[in-house]
Amino acid sequence: GAGVSQSPSNKVTEKGKDVELRCDPISGHTALYWYRQSLGQGLEFLIYFQGNSAPDKSGLPSDRFSAERTGGSVSTLTIQRTQQEDSAVYLCASSKTSLGYEQYFGPGTRLTVT
Amino acid sequence: DAKTTQPPSMDCAEGRAANLPCNHSTISGNEYVYWYRQIHSQGPQYIIHGLKNNETNEMASLIITEDRKSSTLILPHATLRDTAVYYCIAPNNNAGNMLTFGGGTRLMVKP
Repeated sequence: GAGVSQSPSNKVTEKGKDVELRCDPISGHTALYWYRQSLGQGLEFLIYFQGNSAPDKSGLPSDRFSAERTGGSVSTLTIQRTQQEDSAVYLCASSKTSLGYEQYFGPGTRLTVT
Repeated sequence: DAKTTQPPSMDCAEGRAANLPCNHSTISGNEYVYWYRQIHSQGPQYIIHGLKNNETNEMASLIITEDRKSSTLILPHATLRDTAVYYCIAPNNNAGNMLTFGGGTRLMVKP
C-alpha cells in the first residue's frame, strides 16, 4: 500500500522567505508527527497531531514554525522568515494510534536556506 | 526512555546473518524494545518491536533475553541494501510517543 509521502523532496529558499512543507500520511493513521534531522544528527521532534485533539507543539523551536492538519489527514509545516539554521531534512511520520512507537516515515523534505 | 547501548559499528558478509546487539539493563516492565533503521539519505524505517517474547516478521527477528536486559536483532540473510544505521530504543510510555534515537549501530554489509 501507499506509504507516507512528502513534498517537495527538495527545497532551496532564500533567507527570510516563507516555506510550506506537505505531508500525506498513510490512510487511516490517526497520529502524525513532524521531526527534523540536521546533517549527521539525530531526530528532533517538532509537533504531534492525534485525531481531533490539540496538537503537541512542545518541540517547535520558535514561533516562526507552525503546522496544521486538515480533516485529520494532510498536514503542512510552515516556516516563516527562514534562517540558515533551519536547513535540515524535515521528516513526517504517521502511526495507527497514539499508543506505541510504531511510526512510518516519509522520505523527507531537504530544506536548504541560502 | 530506558538507556540503550549499541556497538557503534559492525560488518557483515552478504548472505550471512547479521546479529545486532542492544543492552537495555534499566528497562522497566512495561517498556517495549523497538528497532528502526535509517538507510543513507532516507527516512527512518520501523523494523520490529517486542516486550518479552521473541518476535519475527518479514524483515527480521527480535530475540529478547529472559531478564529483558538485552536483545538482539537478527537479519537472517543480509543483503547490500541492509547497509544502514540500526537504532534500538526502549521508549517511556509516558513520554508522548515521540521517537528519540541514540547513536545506533552502523551496519556495513560487504560483498
